[in-house]
Amino acid sequence: LAKTTQPISMDSYEGQEVNITCSHNNIATNDYITWYQQFPSQGPRFIIQGYKTKVTNEVASLFIPADRKSSTLSLPRVSLSDTAVYYCLVGDGIGNGGFKTIFGAGTRLFVKA
Amino acid sequence: DVKVTQSSRYLVKRTGEKVFLECVQDMDHENMFWYRQDPGLGLRLIYFSYDVKMKEKGDIPEGYSVSREKKERFSLILESASTNQTSMYLCASTSGTATANTGELFFGEGSRLTVL
Repeated sequence: LAKTTQPISMDSYEGQEVNITCSHNNIATNDYITWYQQFPSQGPRFIIQGYKTKVTNEVASLFIPADRKSSTLSLPRVSLSDTAVYYCLVGDGIGNGGFKTIFGAGTRLFVKA
Repeated sequence: DVKVTQSSRYLVKRTGEKVFLECVQDMDHENMFWYRQDPGLGLRLIYFSYDVKMKEKGDIPEGYSVSREKKERFSLILESASTNQTSMYLCASTSGTATANTGELFFGEGSRLTVL
C-alpha cells in the first residue's frame, strides 16, 4: 500500500501562495492522489484529486510529476480561514482488494495576518 | 445539501461498557466507512462497508465491530470499551462500486468518545 509523507506543519502569511508537497514513493498504477482539508472539530472536506500532470479547480491546483512519486497542493493567496490540516491520500478506491486509500498524518497550515 | 450525520458529537463511557456510534447518510451511497483520528496519527480506517450487510476490515479493526442493516446507516460498535479507544470517530460515505479512483469521501462532523 502506498503510504504518504508530508511536512508536519507550515506557516504562511495572508496573501501568499502556499505549496504543500506529499511524497508517495510506492504509488501504484491505478492510484489517484486526493487532498482533503480539515478544520478543528469538523470532518475532512475534499479539495482536489488528480492522476497525473496538473489539475486546477476554484480553490487549489495539484501538480503531479511524470513519475507520480510526489504531488504538490498549491493554494493561491491564502487567507486566515485557510488555517487547517491538509491531508494527502493515495489510493484506488474500492476494488477486489478492499479500500486501499490511506490518510497520512497531515500538514498543519497556519496562516498569519 | 448532502449530509453524513453522526448521532452523538460527544460521549463519555466507562471501561467495559458497550458503545454504539451511529452514522446516517442521505446520499444513497453504497460505501460507508468508520475512521478514528488521534493526534499525530491522522485518520485510520477501522471498517468499511460496500453494501448492505457487507463489511470489510480496515487497518485497525481490533476491538470494534460494525453493522450495516440498511443502506443509509452504518454503526460502529465497541463491545467492551477501553481507555485506549478514547478518540475522535469519523464516519464517511462515497458512491460507486469498484472504481479506479477514490471518489469524494463525505465526512460527518465526528463523535468524540472518552472512555474513563
